[in-house]
Amino acid sequence: KNQVEQSPQSLIILEGKNCTLQCNYTVSPFSNLRWYKQDTGRGPVSLTIMTFSENTKSNGRYTATLDADTKQSSLHITASQLSDSASYICVVSARAAGNKLTFGGGTRVLVKP
Amino acid sequence: DSGVTQTPKHLITATGQRVTLRCSPRSGDLSVYWYQQSLDQGLQFLIQYYNGEERAKGNILERFSAQQFPDLHSELNLSSLELGDSALYFCASSLGHGEEKLFFGSGTQLSVL
Repeated sequence: KNQVEQSPQSLIILEGKNCTLQCNYTVSPFSNLRWYKQDTGRGPVSLTIMTFSENTKSNGRYTATLDADTKQSSLHITASQLSDSASYICVVSARAAGNKLTFGGGTRVLVKP
Repeated sequence: DSGVTQTPKHLITATGQRVTLRCSPRSGDLSVYWYQQSLDQGLQFLIQYYNGEERAKGNILERFSAQQFPDLHSELNLSSLELGDSALYFCASSLGHGEEKLFFGSGTQLSVL
């Protein structure tokens, strides 16, 4: 069964600090891995998409890594800002017919001043 | 702005009633996806349509149905509503079958009283 597990479930960090979110998956056959940011009450917004051959991708202060061998990904937030307070969702796409996307449960990040 | 439009933004109704949620995808996108997000829960995939045809089905209840019209807008019909159906319902769209980025709407907040 395809699964995506994220950790931690939630974390609190001080403004200006860095943090790293983890994503482990068992989706097969793998197509790509995405990170989304979801503000409370809003729709998710794509941060990065990585294919099998990519092991790092950045979007501003967000840097995602992918280790396809260990089936792990991380999202690193640098110099956090109050606006980074949101849920971060890892989504893995499979190369298959039908429903290809498996969503993680998300990590809720709270940035405090 | 993702380009995906969902209406209404909020909906309050009573148990046993029926409601229709509407989604207009981004211009040019052929796929529409529906997701349910209950309080503090992850996104649950309901159903996907591609160019008017049902392409994938997730954990969609029999009381729920959807369709995609020739102009590519989609409607999600929820009937015999129960208290537990209260949730945020998101629509997303993509150009193709889902290997690429998804663009999410702002959601419809459904409250069943």
